[in-house]
Amino acid sequence: DTEVTQTPKHLVMGMTNKKSLKCEQHMGHRAMYWYKQKAKKPPELMFVYSYEKLSINESVPSRFSPECPNSSLLNLHLHALQPEDSALYLCASRPEGLREQFFGPGTRLTVL
Amino acid sequence: TQLLEQSPQFLSIQEGENLTVYCNSSSVFSSLQWYRQEPGEGPVLLVTVVTGGEVKKLKRLTFQFGDARKDSSLHITAAQPGDTGLYLCAGANSGNTPLVFGKGTRLSVIA
Repeated sequence: DTEVTQTPKHLVMGMTNKKSLKCEQHMGHRAMYWYKQKAKKPPELMFVYSYEKLSINESVPSRFSPECPNSSLLNLHLHALQPEDSALYLCASRPEGLREQFFGPGTRLTVL
Repeated sequence: TQLLEQSPQFLSIQEGENLTVYCNSSSVFSSLQWYRQEPGEGPVLLVTVVTGGEVKKLKRLTFQFGDARKDSSLHITAAQPGDTGLYLCAGANSGNTPLVFGKGTRLSVIA
């Protein structure tokens, strides 16, 4: 298995909803990332996990809550989001010792 | 703060033309990646360049890393409509330090 998968592909939620985004990879990568990408902009880093521990939080609001239950899974829990949080949310993973990141296809999130 | 200036921001060309995209910084990076992203999809890694002066070819795409490892270029020969997309350069340093992304070049190749 040589890819990063993300579910769901699309998500529409209200501002009072609680939802979760899921990311999975079975390449043995121990660094995993969440990015947010707005239209016509490059990806913006949100969180970095290294060996299942949160190592970087780029001052992300607490309405976004990441979780890394094991070395293959990365979740992003969403609660009380705002319409401006609508974006493409990308997960990526990185092999040990290398610098490339491999991205999943993303979840297109719309907050109404 | 490290920055990567990518140019041009937009490029619309006819099929068969050549083009070059530039990625420049005042900072040194240990490596630089080029990605291509299609609408609604995640970026796909095209190449990583590591050594100053390195040149890598991927079919009609030629990537170069500057001697001082501060800049890079992507040259496409005889562009095809399938080359259409957002091209992103990203500079990397060691460990988990975040990738530094350029703002991207949106390429449209018209048949």
